[in-house]
Amino acid sequence: EDKVVQSPLSLVVHEGDTVTLNCSYEVTNFRSLLWYKQEKKAPTFLFMLTSSGIEKKSGRLSSILDKKELFSILNITATQTGDSAVYLCAAGNNRKLIWGLGTSLAVNP
Amino acid sequence: DGGITQSPKYLFRKEGQNVTLSCEQNLNHDAMYWYRQDPGQGLRLIYYSQIVNDFQKGDIAEGYSVSREKKESFPLTVTSAQKNPTAFYLCASSDPPGGPDTQYFGPGTRLTVL
Repeated sequence: EDKVVQSPLSLVVHEGDTVTLNCSYEVTNFRSLLWYKQEKKAPTFLFMLTSSGIEKKSGRLSSILDKKELFSILNITATQTGDSAVYLCAAGNNRKLIWGLGTSLAVNP
Repeated sequence: DGGITQSPKYLFRKEGQNVTLSCEQNLNHDAMYWYRQDPGQGLRLIYYSQIVNDFQKGDIAEGYSVSREKKESFPLTVTSAQKNPTAFYLCASSDPPGGPDTQYFGPGTRLTVL
């Protein structure tokens, strides 16, 4: 059965800390790994990764995929209170996305 | 201004009533999806459609029905057969069909059955 597992389930940090969120997957016909941010409403797209070892960056956020070990990480440096959200990971095959449960991140001032 | 709209934002219904949730997109995407989100359960796929006049069941299709008569519209009906319909419903679209690639989400409809 296809599955995506995220860890930790929740995390509390102080502003300025660096965090690493993990996502492992077992998906038949794997095609892509996606990260989304959800703040009490609809998820917003962060990254899509299809190739191993190539880091994608957007400001303080970055992500990388390891297709041999079947995992991805999302890094957030110099966290701010506005980074508080649930971060969702999804693995795509040729039909649909398989979603993890998310990591709930709280950044305290 | 391209995007996905869902209406209404909040919906209250009595038990035993069917209700239809609207989803419209002007992104010219072929594929559209309906998800249900419950606290602590992540996103669960109800139905998806990769092209007009065609749709497939997702992981939790029982008690739901959809139609895809137009490319831009993918309404979801929550029937009285759905045992536990209170949830947050999200519609998404992507392009091209045949693979999920990046899905873009509407703002969601929060359904409460009294």
